[in-house]
Amino acid sequence: KAGVTQTPRYLIKTRGQQVTLSCSPISGHRSVSWYQQTPGQGLQFLFEYFSETQRNKGNFPGRFSGRQFSNSRSEMNVSTLELGDSALYLCASRRDTAFGGELFFGEGSRLTVL
Amino acid sequence: AQSVSQHNHHVILSEAASLELGCNYSYGGTVNLFWYVQYPGQHLQLLLKYFSGDPLVKGIKGFEAEFIKSKFSFNLRKPSVQWSDTAEYFCAVETQGAQKLVFGQGTRLTINP
Repeated sequence: KAGVTQTPRYLIKTRGQQVTLSCSPISGHRSVSWYQQTPGQGLQFLFEYFSETQRNKGNFPGRFSGRQFSNSRSEMNVSTLELGDSALYLCASRRDTAFGGELFFGEGSRLTVL
Repeated sequence: AQSVSQHNHHVILSEAASLELGCNYSYGGTVNLFWYVQYPGQHLQLLLKYFSGDPLVKGIKGFEAEFIKSKFSFNLRKPSVQWSDTAEYFCAVETQGAQKLVFGQGTRLTINP
């Protein structure tokens, strides 16, 4: 069974640009979450989607946005990039949003902003 | 807001030593508790989880954790570590209705052969 797939794995952008990251969840999983991982802040929740609807959002500025498609694939977008956006962005999927469902993580997209 | 604290930032042990990594959370309601591991260059993987029932839960690779509700703690243990346990370990809490995990800062574990 294929795991969570994230693309691209690595990318370099400059300040002011925007970036779109993609996530394909495990087949049959309808919930997709995004997390930002940095050495200073650790793992922080960005947002969670289920059946194309955003169910929860973390404390990030509006420059961070996401969406989910009917096939459960998800994208997140960061506009007007800042140096502090350099991070590993992790996508995680689970079958549904039932309390306690295990999250399966992808390998992440490592974004460097210059 | 819920928070998770992992007491040790970096732990260095020799092979065969015993391990205990601390995790405390702040939330008074119903929680699910998780320990995830991130081996170098790999994705986060679930080590073990607690939902309800027996507070002593066993996970993969010989790890176990004990939920002590009165102390809001969920400490990870392993009686005898191996070099291959070198990784970063994250404690996480899910609160009912939140649809997200709140992670601790992580503990980097280095095992010297």
